[in-house]
Amino acid sequence: AQKITQTQPGMFVQEKEAVTLDCTYDTSDQSYGLFWYKQPSSGEMIFLIYQGSYDEQNATEGRYSLNFQKARKSANLVISASQLGDSAMYFCAMRIQGAQKLVFGQGTRLTINP
Amino acid sequence: DAGVIQSPRHEVTEMGQEVTLRCKPISGHNSLFWYRQTMMRGLELLIYFNNNVPIDDSGMPEDRFSAKMPNASFSTLKIQPSEPRDSAVYFCASSFRLRDRGPLAKNIQYFGAGTRLSVL
Repeated sequence: AQKITQTQPGMFVQEKEAVTLDCTYDTSDQSYGLFWYKQPSSGEMIFLIYQGSYDEQNATEGRYSLNFQKARKSANLVISASQLGDSAMYFCAMRIQGAQKLVFGQGTRLTINP
Repeated sequence: DAGVIQSPRHEVTEMGQEVTLRCKPISGHNSLFWYRQTMMRGLELLIYFNNNVPIDDSGMPEDRFSAKMPNASFSTLKIQPSEPRDSAVYFCASSFRLRDRGPLAKNIQYFGAGTRLSVL
């Protein structure tokens, strides 16, 4: 069975600082994908970034990057130059090959202070 | 382009009543997912469809829950009769599914804004 662990229930960061949100995963499959979603207070789930297990380069999307360390089974989200609008819940999720189900972690609530 | 559209955004009902949640997926997507989000259990998949056909409903909590997808542009999740423990946010998501051939296909799931259900 797959499992996603996000050990930081909440984080507080000053505006313009970089922030790293932790995600570790557990699977015996060799082919899998890792996803990060953002859930602002309005409630919608917004896709941010994707990393495939065979991707050699860490994924980047604008201010978001994924620090993928396969041997450690970690897929941390890095947000550079944080903004007030980054305040939200952030969820890490995984899909294994052949399945369509996303397995989510419990989330990290990020608060950006001015 | 319109994203996944869910209605209603909020639903308040009394125990025992029937509740119907609606979803319009992104045009051209061929997979549709229903998730439920609660504080205790987080986000969990209830059921998903490929090409309008239910594939896995193992996450549906019990027979009171049913889901249909009569065509590619519409799906419903029905709870009958509703109970207070069904109170949650229900999300619909859609994706364009490519088969995993060697490397994993991204098959990114795009979510709707959710329906917040309160059963009194």
